[in-house]
Amino acid sequence: QSVLTQPPSASGAPGQRVTISCSGSSSNIGENYVYWYQQVPGTAPKLLFFGANQRPSGVPDRFSASKSGTSASLAVSQLRPEDEADYYCAVWDNSQTVLFGGGTKLTVL
Amino acid sequence: QITLKESGPTRVKPTQTLTLTCTLSGFSVSDGGVGVGWIRQPPGKALEFLALTYWDDDQRFSASLRNRLTVTRDTSRNQVVLTVTNMVPVDTATYYCVHYYYGSGAHDSRPFDHWGQGLLVTVSS
Repeated sequence: QSVLTQPPSASGAPGQRVTISCSGSSSNIGENYVYWYQQVPGTAPKLLFFGANQRPSGVPDRFSASKSGTSASLAVSQLRPEDEADYYCAVWDNSQTVLFGGGTKLTVL
Repeated sequence: QITLKESGPTRVKPTQTLTLTCTLSGFSVSDGGVGVGWIRQPPGKALEFLALTYWDDDQRFSASLRNRLTVTRDTSRNQVVLTVTNMVPVDTATYYCVHYYYGSGAHDSRPFDHWGQGLLVTVSS
């Protein structure tokens, strides 16, 4: 069981907005940046956010990220079929290791 | 263009040691501000961080697996090698080699911004 808690699933219709949460603690999310990854089935994950909610080039601005206290969120607006994937949050813990969330499977209805 | 490619056995027996090699292209394992790590994913399950080695040879490990993991850098071949001792069936997973851009600090670090294609390793007798 992951130290970072994510809902196992989320869904929305095309054009809608969906939010995925990631809950941690003061020793990880509370003091460090949260990273988000997208994994399309059968492929390697892709970095979506780093630093203070920065997107690597090529990531659409339909994706946004935020953090408050010991929780973080990833929002996907204007849902498209190609957004269907697994999404993972990750963070450095103060014990000097990287933690991943359990992943959220996003389904576009 | 940064690429990483994992190689090694796709099947090992319980109690054996797994040795995986990551061959790097488009950057050097000695480049300042760069790290190379390993992440695994059991079939149908979540990602799990294993290890990370930085350009200055500083290293980080999974807290639960650190006693079984070794990471070494081969600067002459531009490769990073991961060994996992005492393999058991629950270690069956796709093992990914990843690039880590440390930059000048946490504010511009890009953890795992490039991934290898992954190598499925099955532990079975």
